[in-house]
Amino acid sequence: EPEVTQTPSHQVTQMGQEVILRCVPISNHLYFYWYRQILGQKVEFLVSFYNNEISEKSEIFDDQFSVERPDGSNFTLKIRSTKLEDSAMYFCASSEQGLDVGQPQHFGDGTRLSIL
Amino acid sequence: QKEVEQNSGPLSVPEGAIASLNCTYSDRGSQSFFWYRQYSGKSPELIMFIYSNGDKEDGRFTAQLNKASQYVSLLIRDSQPSDSATYLCAVEGNNRLAFGKGNQVVVIP
Repeated sequence: EPEVTQTPSHQVTQMGQEVILRCVPISNHLYFYWYRQILGQKVEFLVSFYNNEISEKSEIFDDQFSVERPDGSNFTLKIRSTKLEDSAMYFCASSEQGLDVGQPQHFGDGTRLSIL
Repeated sequence: QKEVEQNSGPLSVPEGAIASLNCTYSDRGSQSFFWYRQYSGKSPELIMFIYSNGDKEDGRFTAQLNKASQYVSLLIRDSQPSDSATYLCAVEGNNRLAFGKGNQVVVIP
């Protein structure tokens, strides 16, 4: 069964540094998402991406964050000037169509980001 | 702020019994509803989705949706130890998912 793949599985970074989290969505999917989950808390939406542009973003997704689809397969999340509170699991998800037509999102295994 | 509430605490059920999980949501405009299972340290895994009022069955799982009362539930029949996990209710709105905090289910052999 096709899967969303994320790399790396674990990223340790010094506070203030930039990180790039990578995702390869399922190949025929058109909608891409990033979520995060701080340890012990609920999964939170960050951003959705369709047709090479951001379609929705949450209040968490400020100027520190950016997303990009640099080629036909990868979808990346960049976090600049990382802070301690950015430590979390970051999940990439994709769906064939938008949620408003009842299409489920499929999640990758996540990247655990630890900021020191 | 779209809210998704899963208020009940950890649920312990004997193996073979039925586990019942409930979720309420605040946004009346939401059309699609999802249940995910999450094992500790792992990613959410889709179990079921529902968008019409009533029941939807898939194997041992049944999702129930009542849009008038703004709740969605999940029943797990013949619970197995492998069902021990946290179950996340997620509600669609503005092409994003809003998640509840989850309900932990422990199936006791």
